[in-house]
Amino acid sequence: QQQVKQSPQSLIVQKGGISIINCAYENTAFDYFPWYQQFPGKGPALLIAIRPDVSEKKEGRFTISFNKSAKQFSLHIMDSQPGDSATYFCAEGGASGSRLTFGEGTQLTVNP
Amino acid sequence: DAGVTQSPTHLIKTRGQHVTLRCSPISGHKSVSWYQQVLGQGPQFIFQYYEKEERGRGNFPDRFSARQFPNYSSELNVNALLLGDSALYLCASSFLPGSSYNSPLHFGNGTRLTVT
Repeated sequence: QQQVKQSPQSLIVQKGGISIINCAYENTAFDYFPWYQQFPGKGPALLIAIRPDVSEKKEGRFTISFNKSAKQFSLHIMDSQPGDSATYFCAEGGASGSRLTFGEGTQLTVNP
Repeated sequence: DAGVTQSPTHLIKTRGQHVTLRCSPISGHKSVSWYQQVLGQGPQFIFQYYEKEERGRGNFPDRFSARQFPNYSSELNVNALLLGDSALYLCASSFLPGSSYNSPLHFGNGTRLTVT
């Protein structure tokens, strides 16, 4: 069963706009929250990750915002580009090397 | 540097047959995990191996089995294939067991299995 609820299922954004994808988790024992990007025909690639002791992490155009009290975290893609068009997955994992539990994915389309 | 490599890239099998999928981890990585990704869904955990020992198993039937070799490569075996086994099978490697902030999972491009 999916323990990470991801929304929206699909998202269309104009070039230069901001893309926002949200995830909600249930188990507070998890302490590792990565985002993966997947292009058609490829495996998921790690994009950015955060731990719950940090409220925000930024890497280039990609930012994770983490709200521990609400058990939610989100991915913000600033200045979205057509090359960002892909499927994005949030995931949750525990300490000392456990499995990752993935959300169901968001298909992002950035129109030129 | 070579990433995680998987073979074959595509495979077509008939119901009831057996399949073996292979994975070579990133050099230096001792942990291999297997995930199943059904079209339109997120990857689902199947197995995790570290130093040739099974460290975790997901909610999959006993028809699914795996092993890790001394060189840290791994095989995923599926017996008595069902139509519902059609999916992208992903192998991922990491330095430490499983996935964590300091030892993230790196995925291969998967094996696309079609069961007819």
